Amino acid sequence: NAGVTQTPKFRVLKTGQSMTLLCAQDMNHEYMYWYRQDPGMGLRLIHYSVGEGTTAKGEVPDGYNVSRLKKQNFLLGLESAAPSQTSVYFCASRLLSMNTEAFFGQGTRLTVV
Amino acid sequence: GNSVTQMEGPVTLSEEAFLTINCTYTATGYPSLFWYVQYPGEGLQLLLKATKADDKGSNKGFEATYRKETTSFHLEKGSVQVSDSAVYFCALSITGGGADGLTFGKGTHLIIQP
Repeated sequence: NAGVTQTPKFRVLKTGQSMTLLCAQDMNHEYMYWYRQDPGMGLRLIHYSVGEGTTAKGEVPDGYNVSRLKKQNFLLGLESAAPSQTSVYFCASRLLSMNTEAFFGQGTRLTVV
Repeated sequence: GNSVTQMEGPVTLSEEAFLTINCTYTATGYPSLFWYVQYPGEGLQLLLKATKADDKGSNKGFEATYRKETTSFHLEKGSVQVSDSAVYFCALSITGGGADGLTFGKGTHLIIQP
């Protein structure tokens, strides 16, 4: 009954460091997404994937890379972290049908100092 | 393109007050509509949804009706509780309109005072 699980939940990085955020879903969903949430900005789509081995850019992709080597996992990478990437990151997944809702993880709070 | 507009707040109400959070949308096709709720420190979770015109979604005392003629999906609750304090997001998705997921409003921060 896990749903969408994100790791880690909290992280502090120094400027220039790299890290990978992991998202795992156990619902056999085709679509997976990475969003960032900032005060006053709502949710902004970073990258998404429509299936294993495929990824696409969203609204704010710069500074991030993603990979979906397995259907259940969607990784978000920061190669050289910047303070502007301080945010709360959410992963979501959904079935192929557009009438279905997305399921969200609990979020990763990232601070870049 | 597609967009969702909702009041951003914060909206502050007293317990047992009537709640309305307005949501209007612009869509290039025929969308499904959703309300999500985000409690402090948590991810978003679906509150209710409607997939066709005149449908009413309801859950936990909240209701919203899909109004195609006014392109709206306003969230209502007759008597709010302190535990309803959260951020509420209106969202849409378009059938066959691409795979980039949902279009969200910016969220409405609701504060209920005892």
